Amino acid sequence: QSVLTQPPSVSGAPGQRVTISCTGSGSNIGGIFTVHWYRQLPGMAPELLIYDNTNRRTGVPARFSGSKSGVSASLAITGLQADDEAIYYCQSYDSVLNAWLFGGGTTLTVL
Amino acid sequence: EVQLLESGGGLVQPGGSLRLSCTASGLTFNSDAVSWVRQIPGKGPEWVCGISHYGDFYYRESVKGRFTVSRDNSKKSMHLQMDRLRIEDSALYFCAEANFASGGTWFFDQWGQGTLVTVSS
Repeated sequence: QSVLTQPPSVSGAPGQRVTISCTGSGSNIGGIFTVHWYRQLPGMAPELLIYDNTNRRTGVPARFSGSKSGVSASLAITGLQADDEAIYYCQSYDSVLNAWLFGGGTTLTVL
Repeated sequence: EVQLLESGGGLVQPGGSLRLSCTASGLTFNSDAVSWVRQIPGKGPEWVCGISHYGDFYYRESVKGRFTVSRDNSKKSMHLQMDRLRIEDSALYFCAEANFASGGTWFFDQWGQGTLVTVSS
């Protein structure tokens, strides 16, 4: 059971918009710590998409956006494409555990 | 091109030791924090330990006293000495370059492809 909770799966048709949530607590997302998002393709290392809640890494399309409110954060993907299929992870820091944390991951399926 | 290359993984018995290495190219290693992150296939990544460019060390609770991270800036390399290995330490171990996030912590900007550690009798 991850401290940062993500839905196991989300899906959407090509061209649609999906959001992936990441819920934590006051000692991580709800505190001063920012949230970062990664995408992982099969057999590959995770790849940074979004850092500090809302900032896209250089080269990441504007279709990807991040937000944070309270103890939760979200990754939104608009204009879904087939190659968006991947597992998406959120990441933050926890001041009680004194550890960097990852969510359990959300598998995105493009229908 | 930024590249991180891990090595040193393998099969070891419970209680044994392994030394992982990570060599960087294409980035200013000396001014970067670096970390080890592991992942069991089918599970989410799990941060293991890290070292700042100042030389401050950070470990997750379950590896404290068993794992030791070090870096050699002259060789742009990082090492992870893993002792008293447990079955639950089995995973793919990634090295990752860490950048400072707002709030003073890290996010992981560049990743290697990983080296597999299997702890089994």
